[in-house]
Amino acid sequence: EIVMTQSPATLSVSPGDRATLSCRASQSFSSNLAWYQQKPGQAPRLLIYGASTRATGIPARFSGSGSGTEFTLTISSLQSEDFAVYYCHQYGNWPPYTFGQGTKLEIK
Amino acid sequence: EVQLVESGGDLVQTGGSLRLSCAGSGFTFSSFAMNWVRQAPGKGLEWVSGISGSGVSTDYADSVKGRFTISRDNSKNTLYLQMNSLRAEDTAVYYCARLPVKYSPYYFDYWGQGTLVTVSS
Repeated sequence: EIVMTQSPATLSVSPGDRATLSCRASQSFSSNLAWYQQKPGQAPRLLIYGASTRATGIPARFSGSGSGTEFTLTISSLQSEDFAVYYCHQYGNWPPYTFGQGTKLEIK
Repeated sequence: EVQLVESGGDLVQTGGSLRLSCAGSGFTFSSFAMNWVRQAPGKGLEWVSGISGSGVSTDYADSVKGRFTISRDNSKNTLYLQMNSLRAEDTAVYYCARLPVKYSPYYFDYWGQGTLVTVSS
């Protein structure tokens, strides 16, 4: 089973600034990685798949990069609606699908 | 518009059983693999089980293997999760989630709003 580790656990950023979230895998699995955003009381929402492809309707300020074992989600110019918890998810080595433990993005 | 609506969550005693349902609409249900993902209170996401579009292929997390059974009725556009021998650690919000393809593995492109299962003695 691939273990996904996200860092940091909590990230405090000011609106308008850039946020960089990291996700590391315990073993390589190419670029089969997705990112989800979850707000309190809501279901997760797909942001990025294939490590770098934005899902339908996702603003261009969200971008993903990486391959192998190191992946990054970058949110440029944070908006108020971007403060949430973000999860990475590997689907390259399955079963099982595995998720990172989440990064909480909070307002500084 | 794709919609997934879960139901069936409840308070159940340890060792009891429960069946969850997920009704899909806005897409050709049989053309997409479906999964269950859970989230314990205040915790992260954990994949539980998945089923192919036809229903022939199924997979389970080790934590639920032998206790949970996933199935689907494509004539009713509905996904199910039969949960037996429930434990306290099964307490969670259970989400159904769609893959954008007929077979795993892939990412989850649509999620339902979830249904809460509470297991207590």
